[in-house]
Amino acid sequence: GIQVEQSPPDLILQEGANSTLRCNFSDSVNNLQWFHQNPWGQLINLFYIPSGTKQNGRLSATTVATERYSLLYISSSQTTDSGVYFCAVVRSGYALNFGKGTSLLVTP
Amino acid sequence: GAVVSQHPSRVICKSGTSVKIECRSLDFQATTMFWYRQFPKQSLMLMATSNEGSKATYEQGVEKDKFLINHASLTLSTLTVTSAHPEDSSFYICSARNTGGSLEQYFGPGTRLTVT
Repeated sequence: GIQVEQSPPDLILQEGANSTLRCNFSDSVNNLQWFHQNPWGQLINLFYIPSGTKQNGRLSATTVATERYSLLYISSSQTTDSGVYFCAVVRSGYALNFGKGTSLLVTP
Repeated sequence: GAVVSQHPSRVICKSGTSVKIECRSLDFQATTMFWYRQFPKQSLMLMATSNEGSKATYEQGVEKDKFLINHASLTLSTLTVTSAHPEDSSFYICSARNTGGSLEQYFGPGTRLTVT
């Protein structure tokens, strides 16, 4: 199956700082999604981004499918951004294959 | 739009009993739904793919007789954990894709199962 690697595994930021999370995948994919898992376990859809660049407020994402990576940018981080960020790719059968996540802690 | 609900959100049961978890797509139809399991501090692992009107497809290592999946309508899939044991305690999450839409998936809020 497709391998999905996320980096860094852990990240601590001070409020207001910017960060970049990376997702590498081992094979061509049909689609890619970024999620934020909040402390209650809910997965929040951030981006559905098979290729190109999208922005939503302080968050943006870029996927370069030909080079098999995606980046998630968080600007002016807030404490509410804390949680685990997952990258997941769509493989055959439409089931998502998840990376191990980046655990982000934003301190006041 | 694109809301997926799960019920119950939390359940505690005794070893040997069965527990049913429901996953509903509230505002779209889903021919296919997916069931994942997440252990503490770990990522989500696909358990099975639920197909409306047909048998579910299970991932390697997942016992189909223990984790019964029924997808009786285009908006409802159920996962029944039979003869639960403490090692089945986990966070179970379902997802669904809008049939006829993009490949984007939407997740339910999850069900935390504790087997005592």
